[in-house]
Amino acid sequence: EPEVTQTPSHQVTQMGQEVILRCVPISNHLYFYWYRQILGQKVEFLVSFYNNEISEKSEIFDDQFSVERPDGSNFTLKIRSTKLEDSAMYFCASSVVRVMGQPQHFGDGTRLSIL
Amino acid sequence: ILNVEQSPQSLHVQEGDSTNFTCSFPSSNFYALHWYRWETAKSPEALFVMTLNGDEKKKGRISATLNTKEGYSYLYIKGSQPEDSATYLCALSFGNEKLTFGTGTRLTIIP
Repeated sequence: EPEVTQTPSHQVTQMGQEVILRCVPISNHLYFYWYRQILGQKVEFLVSFYNNEISEKSEIFDDQFSVERPDGSNFTLKIRSTKLEDSAMYFCASSVVRVMGQPQHFGDGTRLSIL
Repeated sequence: ILNVEQSPQSLHVQEGDSTNFTCSFPSSNFYALHWYRWETAKSPEALFVMTLNGDEKKKGRISATLNTKEGYSYLYIKGSQPEDSATYLCALSFGNEKLTFGTGTRLTIIP
């Protein structure tokens, strides 16, 4: 069964450094998402992406964050200058269409640790 | 702020017993409710997506019901097995793409 893949599984970065989290969505999916879960908290929506542009973003997704689909397969999340509070599990998801009743398919996540 | 609540937060169930837990949400502007099963170190796995009041869905020993008018969904597991141990997440969408998640119910099956 096709799946969403994320790399790396764990990233350790010094505060203030840039980090890029990578995702390969399911190949025929058109909608892409990033979520994160800070330890002990709920999974939170960050951003959705369709047709090469952001379709929705949360308050968390400020100017330090950006997303890109640099080629036909990868979908990346960049954090320009990481802060301690960016430490979390980051999940990529994709869905085939944006219609009622369709699930989003998640990757295994990247655990980001900011030192 | 939209609040999706799940209860209980954690649950220990004897193998072979049946169990259920709840997802509660504001009933206005409901669009779709999603249930996910999330095992440690794996990706959340989509179980059900429900959209209509009174919806019931079933996948093997797991089933779910939806009441949009009163704002709740139940997830049932019949004859629990050790492999059912996981965190069960519910999430709602309200006419847009983003999912708003509850805190999850952490289920542990005791052999």
